[in-house]
Amino acid sequence: DAGVTQSPTHLIKTRGQQVTLRCSPKSGHDTVSWYQQALGQGPQFIFQYYEEEERQRGNFPDRFSGHQFPNYSSELNVNALLLGDSALYLCASSLAYRGMTEAFFGQGTRLTVV
Amino acid sequence: AQSVTQLGSHVSVSEGALVLLRCNYSSSVPPYLFWYVQYPNQGLQLLLKYTTGATLVKGINGFEAEFKKSETSFHLTKPSAHMSDAAEYFCAVTLVSGGGSQGNLIFGKGTKLSVKP
Repeated sequence: DAGVTQSPTHLIKTRGQQVTLRCSPKSGHDTVSWYQQALGQGPQFIFQYYEEEERQRGNFPDRFSGHQFPNYSSELNVNALLLGDSALYLCASSLAYRGMTEAFFGQGTRLTVV
Repeated sequence: AQSVTQLGSHVSVSEGALVLLRCNYSSSVPPYLFWYVQYPNQGLQLLLKYTTGATLVKGINGFEAEFKKSETSFHLTKPSAHMSDAAEYFCAVTLVSGGGSQGNLIFGKGTKLSVKP
């Protein structure tokens, strides 16, 4: 079992550009959550996808959007990048009925906005 | 609203010494509580969790934590630190509803543990 895989591992973008990050959940998991971890901070919840729909959302602007595919994989899209979007983006997968008690995290995507 | 406070952004101990990382939470309902460890440039690994039942929870790598409702605390301890324990540790809380934790995780700001030889 490969666990939760995220791609790419590192990314450098310019202010104003758009970026797409990808996450493949652990085998058998149906729910994907995304977190942003700024340098020196704890992860902050962006949103959660289940059954291809956004089920919950944290306090992030509409520039942050996502998608979940029928195979449960997910994408995080960020438009009009700001310098402040530079962070480690973490994906966590889980089973809906188990919630976050059985969540597994990927290694993250390090996004640098210049 | 739920929140997590980790006292001490940086803790330094000697190898073989007791490790104590502090976590206090705020929640209007009984929460589920977690400790995660993060090594440099890596994701989060679950150390242990409290959901229901026994308040003293044992995790991986010799860590344990005790849920104290009266003190709203969930401190992480390890009797004897090892060099490999040097990492950042995050306490997290999630809401409990309908018998499960359907909510998102709310993390503290983290405590960086250094272990001196």
